[in-house]
Amino acid sequence: GAVVSQHPSWVICKSGTSVKIECRSLDFQATTMFWYRQFPKQSLMLMATSNEGSKATYEQGVEKDKFLINHASLTLSTLTVTSAHPEDSSFYICSAKVAGGHDTQYFGPGTRLTVL
Amino acid sequence: DQQVKQNSPSLSVQEGRISILNCDYTNSMFDYFLWYKKYPAEGPTFLISISSIKDKNEDGRFTVFLNKSAKHLSLHIVPSQPGDSAVYFCAASTTTGTASKLTFGTGTRLQVTL
Repeated sequence: GAVVSQHPSWVICKSGTSVKIECRSLDFQATTMFWYRQFPKQSLMLMATSNEGSKATYEQGVEKDKFLINHASLTLSTLTVTSAHPEDSSFYICSAKVAGGHDTQYFGPGTRLTVL
Repeated sequence: DQQVKQNSPSLSVQEGRISILNCDYTNSMFDYFLWYKKYPAEGPTFLISISSIKDKNEDGRFTVFLNKSAKHLSLHIVPSQPGDSAVYFCAASTTTGTASKLTFGTGTRLQVTL
């Protein structure tokens, strides 16, 4: 149980385009999902907390207009990187917390974004 | 300000022996701790967790120890297997309020040798 999927697993795009990444909880409902970013050989950095039916809460330094988050249902959250630039190239990982459960987060497999 | 620290970036252990990964934290409000295992280009996999009301939690080959007074936790893997080779992250959260965030350490790369 507690499986989280992400799509796509990797994406290459041109500078200036927008990219949408989906995060789904496959076998449980997740009122809260989290989006992380990981640079090579570094830890996971929380970007934002996504709550179903409400606006996402962004961490300090994360541009909410650049990283659009939508959590439309209890099993789906999306992250859209708008007007992507090469510095946005990174490994993006989502996680989900079981509704009503303890604080364990279950992570998706990640999405490798490369902006040319 | 790194609130969760893993001071050993790497660790090499022989197969069959015990692996001990350490983690220190500075925020006394943390009351829930987790260990994750991560392979390159994959998301972290949850291993084991411990609440601050306990000092030990065991699950198969994995045991997590928590020393609240020292603000220190450790993950013991015994016996270590080659498939355990990965990067291990400790994480901590405060369970008060809703949607508690996890704060991750910088990770320790474990290599289990034959």
